Amino acid sequence: AQKITQTQPGMFVQEKEAVTLDCTYDTSDPSYGLFWYKQPSSGEMIFLIYQGSYDQQNATEGRYSLNFQKARKSANLVISASQLGDSAMYFCAMREGWAGNMLTFGGGTRLMVKP
Amino acid sequence: DADVTQTPRNRITKTGKRIMLECSQTKGHDRMYWYRQDPGLGLRLIYYSFDVKDINKGEISDGYSVSRQAQAKFSLSLESAIPNQTALYFCATSDDGLDGNQPQHFGDGTRLSIL
Repeated sequence: AQKITQTQPGMFVQEKEAVTLDCTYDTSDPSYGLFWYKQPSSGEMIFLIYQGSYDQQNATEGRYSLNFQKARKSANLVISASQLGDSAMYFCAMREGWAGNMLTFGGGTRLMVKP
Repeated sequence: DADVTQTPRNRITKTGKRIMLECSQTKGHDRMYWYRQDPGLGLRLIYYSFDVKDINKGEISDGYSVSRQAQAKFSLSLESAIPNQTALYFCATSDDGLDGNQPQHFGDGTRLSIL
């Protein structure tokens, strides 16, 4: 079974609007962490935001926030006020337990921001 | 200067050749990782190392080997390259924080094509 599932291969959003990128995960470990990375067309991987399984509040980092619904095992990324530079691939990744920060990645969502 | 540097950035080679991809970091992290990314897919872990004396196989280690020459250097070798090893290869590092929220920091990737 897939440990990280991103069901949206591609999405469009209008500039200045908010967009939600979906991520569901599967683990039986009570301790885990969820990461989101951005990959622009230039190819580098850029860390965006982190949510720990024991965190009481949803993580936020500037225009990025994480809608963490533990019971549903979902960790959706919300980007507010989209900008043209947000056009990229977005990957959700999970660390299970405390095993050395090794990450399992989802297949990614390509976001395209329309002017 | 980049914190995580991969060389070469691009490489085209022939089937059966031995290839070495190098990674060096100035972040002072103990943990280093090698991933591959196939077109349209997420990253998959090849090997990881928690310190100079520690090397571990990841999800897809067959056909690859690694060497951790120093804390700052972690190289990936393809002993006899084959076309299905054509991919984008990433090196990453992370701190060994006890709370598990340390993100991995990626190099810019090496685009490897095997003909």
